[in-house]
Amino acid sequence: GQQVMQIPQYQHVQEGEDFTTYCNSSTTLSNIQWYKQRPGGHPVFLIQLVKSGEVKKQKRLTFQFGEAKKNSSLHITATQTTDVGTYFCAGGAQKLVFGQGTRLTINP
Amino acid sequence: DGGITQSPKYLFRKEGQNVTLSCEQNLNHDAMYWYRQDPGQGLRLIYYSQIVNDFQKGDIAEGYSVSREKKESFPLTVTSAQKNPTAFYLCASSIEGFWGTGELFFGEGSRLTVL
Repeated sequence: GQQVMQIPQYQHVQEGEDFTTYCNSSTTLSNIQWYKQRPGGHPVFLIQLVKSGEVKKQKRLTFQFGEAKKNSSLHITATQTTDVGTYFCAGGAQKLVFGQGTRLTINP
Repeated sequence: DGGITQSPKYLFRKEGQNVTLSCEQNLNHDAMYWYRQDPGQGLRLIYYSQIVNDFQKGDIAEGYSVSREKKESFPLTVTSAQKNPTAFYLCASSIEGFWGTGELFFGEGSRLTVL
């Protein structure tokens, strides 16, 4: 079945450093979504990418969708303590499949 | 305020007991979903419903049951047949079903611990 792999599983950074998480699918995705889950909280939608090669920005967050629509990345510039949490990608054709998530911790 | 309400937030049960988790939404969304989250893992789909009176098994449906008698409600029953029920359960809804491109709105979750 369709699989969505996300790496790394954990990332610890110093505040102010950049952070990137990668998402790879075994099959072509019709779209990719990104969610953030704060510790003890529930996932909250960040963004959706639909077009091949699409790049979207939200302040310090940059989201990319690969040309082949099989991979995606989320990059955070100059992390802040409010960025702490687990970031999930989710993609699919007929069903939405979630990656395992990347847990980001930050040393202030 | 529109949103998804899950209850209870925390639940403790003895092994062998059935448990029903409630999920109610007032977003007027057609599609609703149940996910299971285990520590360090992603979200795994248990069941989903794209319309009232219809629901489909997800990837890990064994030991679970659902109903969708009303658009607003999608309760999940964790039966005694579920071998490892201790987990964090998340309910979600979306305007469209999986074939659409709508975002998922999640409830705050129900943490079930089986003793």
